[in-house]
Amino acid sequence: EVQLVESGGGLIQPGGSLRLSCAASGFTVSSNYMSWVRQAPGKGLEWVSVIYSGGSTYYADSVKGRFTISRDNSKNTLYLQMNSLRAEDTAVYYCARDLKEWGQGTLVTVSS
Amino acid sequence: DVVMTQSPLSLPVTLGQPASISCRSSQSLVYSDGNTYLNWFQQRPGQSPRRLIYKVSNWDSGVPDRFSGSGSGTDFTLKISRVEAEDVGVYYCMQGTHWPITFGQGTRLEIK
Repeated sequence: EVQLVESGGGLIQPGGSLRLSCAASGFTVSSNYMSWVRQAPGKGLEWVSVIYSGGSTYYADSVKGRFTISRDNSKNTLYLQMNSLRAEDTAVYYCARDLKEWGQGTLVTVSS
Repeated sequence: DVVMTQSPLSLPVTLGQPASISCRSSQSLVYSDGNTYLNWFQQRPGQSPRRLIYKVSNWDSGVPDRFSGSGSGTDFTLKISRVEAEDVGVYYCMQGTHWPITFGQGTRLEIK
């Protein structure tokens, strides 16, 4: 059974950094394209970043240069390193496999 | 960026009646490989998104056949043949043909 479990969210001050993790089971992260999608409170879905099986990465303009997607094949885990956080980054962050299976999300709140 | 416009944004439906959601893109979603990367997602209250339909009209596993997707080019539709109580939630279309991936604003389906 495919499972995705995000962690690492929390309250962080503007300008701070946070690293989200997405632990996968039931499949191999490095063999799939893995995405991060976020949802601000009461709002719609916003795609954030993707990493393909070959290692190529892409980012939304709103996070380019501040966020980095990566994976650890030995841990079968996906990451999102988030730097220079802004209030508008406040959201539930979901990881997803092929945009088909999704985790439960982790809440990031950027506030002073 | 490709703008995805859904209508209606709110959809009150009587149980057992059909429902239809429209999604229009600002550019053709036909990719160079001939595929059209238009997906539909359902997000029930308090839950993570779930993909229902991929590449316009293909069901994901476990999706009831009362859901169907159709369309081409820039004009797409999600139909529910007979709405059930468990269908309450927000429905999103998403295009994966052009970077960045973009979602529609969401259509909130409620029982009348």
